[in-house]
Amino acid sequence: NAGVTQTPKFQVLKTGQSMTLQCAQDMNHEYMSWYRQDPGMGLRLIHYSVGAGITDQGEVPNGYNVSRSTTEDFPLRLLSAAPSQTSVYFCASSYLTVGRNYGYTFGSGTRLTVV
Amino acid sequence: AQTVTQSQPEMSVQEAETVTLSCTYDTSESDYYLFWYKQPPSRQMILVIRQEAYKQQNATENRFSVNFQKAAKSFSLKISDSQLGDAAMYFCAYRAIQGAQKLVFGQGTRLTINP
Repeated sequence: NAGVTQTPKFQVLKTGQSMTLQCAQDMNHEYMSWYRQDPGMGLRLIHYSVGAGITDQGEVPNGYNVSRSTTEDFPLRLLSAAPSQTSVYFCASSYLTVGRNYGYTFGSGTRLTVV
Repeated sequence: AQTVTQSQPEMSVQEAETVTLSCTYDTSESDYYLFWYKQPPSRQMILVIRQEAYKQQNATENRFSVNFQKAAKSFSLKISDSQLGDAAMYFCAYRAIQGAQKLVFGQGTRLTINP
């Protein structure tokens, strides 16, 4: 099925470890983004991309890296995991141009625990 | 920067009754999109309803409808004939049409349905 594929679904890391959360979409969406969800704070934007080779910071970018080498993939890298990065992470994608199809498609989320 | 505020962290309603969830937003733009997303315990983000700011008519999807007050920057969600399956976190979100077109979320409202 077409959509956003996000892996892994669950992950436990030790403080200081690094890892990459994978996100892939097959809808030819220009726009891709990463959010983190924490209780009482909604979803906050970490990084986003409006096309291959173009990325920008969101609201809470510290401690995270992204790259966009292809239209389909937008991995999120945790450089040195900290307990404050314990959260649920969502990848989301969308068409960029204005039109009827302006909704976002979300991945199923990754629950990350840093101990 | 655009902001979205949901002032009700929790709401509860009796099954079959009607409940309204509040959302206000702040923007200097004249054209934009507004969304309500549902997040059940499965963690999946499900689009409930959406509204284009240039449309005066309030959006409706079956038992879900919105009260969009553009001048007041208010976008409330009404759920009629509440069902047990409506129990979830509900997020209000804003998307600009110009610029980076980021999706900005409110803090969420946890809705409980009492049988």
